[in-house]
Amino acid sequence: SQTIHQWPATLVQPVGSPLSLECTVEGTSNPNLYWYRQAAGRGLQLLFYSVGIGQISSEVPQNLSASRPQDRQFILSSKKLLLSDSGFYLCAWAGQGGNQPQHFGDGTRLSIL
Amino acid sequence: DAKTTQPNSMESNEEEPVHLPCNHSTISGTDYIHWYRQLPSQGPEYVIHGLTSNVNNRMASLAIAEDRKSSTLILHRATLRDAAVYYCILRDVWNNDMRFGAGTRLTVKP
Repeated sequence: SQTIHQWPATLVQPVGSPLSLECTVEGTSNPNLYWYRQAAGRGLQLLFYSVGIGQISSEVPQNLSASRPQDRQFILSSKKLLLSDSGFYLCAWAGQGGNQPQHFGDGTRLSIL
Repeated sequence: DAKTTQPNSMESNEEEPVHLPCNHSTISGTDYIHWYRQLPSQGPEYVIHGLTSNVNNRMASLAIAEDRKSSTLILHRATLRDAAVYYCILRDVWNNDMRFGAGTRLTVKP
């Protein structure tokens, strides 16, 4: 069966520090991969998605970036965090095509001080 | 993706059925209707999806209107664990992105 791993579960970082969140998927090949952010009490905002290695689509301009160095690995990064980067970050995977459901990781709760 | 409209909140009593509506009047022929739910402090969980015909699985049923401009997620017997935010999303079969709206917050009363 397929599983998705996301870590860390919680993270506290100072303003201006770098960020690296990792997400890996097991049990499937060539998945679509997604990064979402959810601010407190708000809905999910799609940040990035990837349909293959090295292919990244960015949904909103920001100081975050994403990379997909391997088929089942998706990384969210920042060189310098802002206070507004606080939130609940979720990674998800899906099979190719709009008729495929998404499957989410447990999320990383990021607090910027 | 085409937009969907859902009520902000709904209440239900435990053990009773719940019908969660979703309007999607601008749906296209290649849009699938997906439903997800999000429990507090967790990532969203896939519930069900369909294209034209009604769908049933172990979690819920999806009733799709004949003109496909609306759909209803049916929880046959609500439990306290069903309290969550429920999202209705349209996703084109040719698109790989997926965007969530505000959803419906379901409260289940004992």
